[in-house]
Amino acid sequence: GAVVSQHPSRVICKSGTSVKIECRSLDFQATTMFWYRQFPKQSLMLMATSNEGSKATYEQGVEKDKFLINHASLTLSTLTVTSAHPEDSSFYICSAGTSGGPSTDTQYFGPGTRLTVL
Amino acid sequence: GEDVEQSLFLSVREGDSSVINCTYTDSSSTYLYWYKQEPGAGLQLLTYIFSNMDMKQDQRLTVLLNKKDKHLSLRIADTQTGDSAIYFCAESIGGGFKTIFGAGTRLFVKA
Repeated sequence: GAVVSQHPSRVICKSGTSVKIECRSLDFQATTMFWYRQFPKQSLMLMATSNEGSKATYEQGVEKDKFLINHASLTLSTLTVTSAHPEDSSFYICSAGTSGGPSTDTQYFGPGTRLTVL
Repeated sequence: GEDVEQSLFLSVREGDSSVINCTYTDSSSTYLYWYKQEPGAGLQLLTYIFSNMDMKQDQRLTVLLNKKDKHLSLRIADTQTGDSAIYFCAESIGGGFKTIFGAGTRLFVKA
């Protein structure tokens, strides 16, 4: 149980285009989903927290107009990187929080999406 | 502020025990976690410990928590080459989902 999927797993795009990444909780309902960014050999940096049906809460320094987050249902959240630039190239990981896991504060992570902007 | 620190590398021989250490600063942590990340993949929850416990054992994994020193460790018994990965220590704070991650410890297992 507690499986989170992401699509696509890899994406290469041209500079200036927008890319949408989907995060789905497959066998549970996630009231809260998180988006992280991971740079090579570094830890995860929390970008934003989204609750179903409400606006996402962005961490300091993360541009909300550039990284659009939509959490339309209890099983799906999307991250759209708008007008992508090479510096947006990174590994993006989502996670979903559930009260049905081993702890009420546990997050289950997706496999990540590697974005390369040319 | 909130901070989680780990050593960056650990190298062990196959069959030996591995001990990965972590320190954290927030005394209001409710749960502490160990995650495993294999190359190019997301994070896999290995184990967790509630802040009022001092030890948890799960097959080859033993978690020790010293709340006074804010020190957490993960011991992997009989380490195998398949255990080579990055291990992240993390704490959830404030009674909610917010989780702070360490930088990760890269474990190398030599055959």
